Amino acid sequence: SQKIEQNSEALNIQEGKTATLTCNYTNYSPAYLQWYRQDPGRGPVFLLLIRENEKEKRKERLKVTLDTTLKQSLFHITASQPADSATYLCALGGDSSYKLIFGSGTRLLVRP
Amino acid sequence: GAGVSQTPSNKVTEKGKYVELRCDPISGHTALYWYRQSLGQGPEFLIYFQGTGAADDSGLPNDRFFAVRPEGSVSTLKIQRTERGDSAVYLCASSSTGLADNEQFFGPGTRLTVL
Repeated sequence: SQKIEQNSEALNIQEGKTATLTCNYTNYSPAYLQWYRQDPGRGPVFLLLIRENEKEKRKERLKVTLDTTLKQSLFHITASQPADSATYLCALGGDSSYKLIFGSGTRLLVRP
Repeated sequence: GAGVSQTPSNKVTEKGKYVELRCDPISGHTALYWYRQSLGQGPEFLIYFQGTGAADDSGLPNDRFFAVRPEGSVSTLKIQRTERGDSAVYLCASSSTGLADNEQFFGPGTRLTVL
């Protein structure tokens, strides 16, 4: 069955450093992959989308890469700030399917 | 503008009772989704509406769960004979178009607790 793995351990980094979060998937060839941010008690908020034929997407301090051979996406936040502290979810989707399959998320803590 | 809203924000019920959870999507959004999120997990897909019809209900866990969207806007998720295992946060999301990769806008969720 389809499986998405995100590091269950929290990532703890110093302010100003680059945070890198990993999303690995198996038994699936997604047409696209999305990254969401979720704060406690809130719904997820969309950040970035990358399609299967793309290698990299950027938006301000955020960067997403996709390696379809390794079946892995990396999510980078450069010049991290304490306000970036949250849980980050990756979600996979198919061409003809509207439903997203979410990973369990990785909690990021940015220390001032 | 207003985002996706969900009511109630919290619902506590007893095992065996019936509950209804409401979702108001962003005005004009044709696609609406329901997800369920347990503690420490990502959202799990339940059902997707395109307009008034349920285009994909493959995520509904059993026939105790049912959802409607009669006028293509507000949606209600209905759970009959609730069980303790139904306790979770129920999230609703909407998107503006019928494109599969379109950004989904999530509401704050309804936290359901079944005692």
